[in-house]
Amino acid sequence: QKEVEQNSGPLSVPEGAIASLNCTYSDRVSQSFFWYRQYSGKSPELIMSIYSNGDKEDGRFTAQLNKASQYVSLLIRDSQPSDSATYLCAVAGYSTLTFGKGTMLLVSP
Amino acid sequence: DVKVTQSSRYLVKRTGEKVFLECVQDMDHENMFWYRQDPGLGLRLIYFSYDVKMKEKGDIPEGYSVSREKKERFSLILESASTNQTSMYLCASSEGTAYGYTFGSGTRLTVV
Repeated sequence: QKEVEQNSGPLSVPEGAIASLNCTYSDRVSQSFFWYRQYSGKSPELIMSIYSNGDKEDGRFTAQLNKASQYVSLLIRDSQPSDSATYLCAVAGYSTLTFGKGTMLLVSP
Repeated sequence: DVKVTQSSRYLVKRTGEKVFLECVQDMDHENMFWYRQDPGLGLRLIYFSYDVKMKEKGDIPEGYSVSREKKERFSLILESASTNQTSMYLCASSEGTAYGYTFGSGTRLTVV
């Protein structure tokens, strides 16, 4: 059974701080990794994808991947109250994605 | 942008009713998926389809069936709704797992 593990949180950070969200996965052959943001009562929205070891930056978001350690992370710089949401890590298998249960992020003004 | 449309945002049904949840995507994607999401349990895969008339069971197919008669449409059927099927149902579409999914807006189903 493929597993994706995330700390459920909540992770609380003040406005302007860096939020760090982490994810580990069990399937060593996975090649594609994703971060989704889900606001309360809404559906998940894809915000980042990463395929190679190292960092990938998009605006205030940086995804980091370490395949040897089977570890994916998402950094949010200059966190805003509008970033308050649940962040889901997803790992691609052959036919489907496996999702973690998500980490709730709370950014206080 | 890929658009995935779920026909109902909120739905209330009675125990024992047959329930149809409809999902339509407009980007010619081969793959479509149905998940349910419950607090503390995360997203759980019910069924998926990789082609017209093809379907595969996910992790929790019991009590559900699906239909894919056209490429753009994937329907989830609750044969006889029960209260433990009260949940948020999410449809997703994808051109392949390397590209991730695009989700519909979800249907919050309440079975009373």
